[in-house]
Amino acid sequence: QQQVKQSPQSLIVQKGGISIINCAYENTAFDYFPWYQQFPGKGPALLIAIRPDVSEKKEGRFTISFNKSAKQFSLHIMDSQPGDSATYFCAATRSGGYQKVTFGTGTKLQVIP
Amino acid sequence: GAGVSQSPRYKVAKRGQDVALRCDPISGHVSLFWYQQALGQGPEFLTYFQNEAQLDKSGLPSDRFFAERPEGSVSTLKIQRTQQEDSAVYLCASSLQAGGSYNEQFFGPGTRLTVL
Repeated sequence: QQQVKQSPQSLIVQKGGISIINCAYENTAFDYFPWYQQFPGKGPALLIAIRPDVSEKKEGRFTISFNKSAKQFSLHIMDSQPGDSATYFCAATRSGGYQKVTFGTGTKLQVIP
Repeated sequence: GAGVSQSPRYKVAKRGQDVALRCDPISGHVSLFWYQQALGQGPEFLTYFQNEAQLDKSGLPSDRFFAERPEGSVSTLKIQRTQQEDSAVYLCASSLQAGGSYNEQFFGPGTRLTVL
């Protein structure tokens, strides 16, 4: 059962453009939604995260939009740079307890000059 | 140390061999997770330790998978009688605490296991 669905699988964006990755979840018990960035040969690293009581969170060029009623959330990367080329995973977890993370399937982003 | 370390970084095993994968978490981190990442997929939860106690092993695919963290620091994931479907990157993550609001998990670089 895929609890967090992610699209697109891959994305090519020109430098300076906006990258958009979409995710949807099923389990309404999830109450924390992190995004991870993974470079080849490295483990995932936390990029930005949001709680469902907030509809938007912005950190620098990265913005998460959250729609609780639709159970959907998305990552926007503004002014995309070649250094942003990586695989991005949306994820979900429950606060309290030990917080195992359920990941989406990933989006491979390539930013071309 | 500066972060989570894992060894070996790469492991090639013949089908049927036993393997042991090591994780050194960030010093003082209470929580330790193992995840399995198949090629082109997101990581999937395998098991969780709080200090030396294994509190959740619901994600282990079969009884050939075994994990331990005897002294509450270093952890070992052991796979017995490896099969080709075990080929994946095995990721270890640690976090400072358990419970409460979200505790960031810090991931190691992973061990890439290839079973021939």
